[in-house]
Amino acid sequence: QQQVKQSPQSLIVQKGGISIINCAYENTAFDYFPWYQQFPGKGPALLIAIRPDVSEKKEGRFTISFNKSAKQFSLHIMDSQPGDSATYFCAASMKGQGGKLIFGQGTELSVKP
Amino acid sequence: DVKVTQSSRYLVKRTGEKVFLECVQDMDHENMFWYRQDPGLGLRLIYFSYDVKMKEKGDIPEGYSVSREKKERFSLILESASTNQTSMYLCASSFGLNTEAFFGQGTRLTVV
Repeated sequence: QQQVKQSPQSLIVQKGGISIINCAYENTAFDYFPWYQQFPGKGPALLIAIRPDVSEKKEGRFTISFNKSAKQFSLHIMDSQPGDSATYFCAASMKGQGGKLIFGQGTELSVKP
Repeated sequence: DVKVTQSSRYLVKRTGEKVFLECVQDMDHENMFWYRQDPGLGLRLIYFSYDVKMKEKGDIPEGYSVSREKKERFSLILESASTNQTSMYLCASSFGLNTEAFFGQGTRLTVV
């Protein structure tokens, strides 16, 4: 049972371009939506997170857009750089669940020079 | 910095062996998690614990058990390893509800 669906599975972007990764969720009780970044040989690390009371959050070149009515959220990476090449995971969690995160399937991003 | 340490980076075990994966965190976090990561499937939750001696099943607990005798340590046990348990195992910890989870570097387990 996949409660968070992520697309695309892989993405190739030219340096300087915009990378866009999308996620959709089913459970309206989710109230925390983080994105994690994972480099080869490393564990995932928190990149940016949003709560459903805002529609957008920006940190540097990274922006989360959140559409509560559509139950969708997306990660935009502006001015993508080769150093952004990594696997990105969206996730969701809800209160009363001990902080457990439900992850999407992951997107392997490759930024070409 | 928060540190989550997994005891092994790579393990090779034989089918039927009992396997222990150990995880230690140094930030007094209440919550600890075990995930497995497989290509195309993302991270799937095996078990989690929100307090010492407490445990909850995740989405794929079959074939696994866990132990949390001390707050900083969370162990994943494969009672009788099978080849379909070959995977990357990730431990994580967090404090409170809906906060950042910190991950270890993972243990790549191969069952032959």
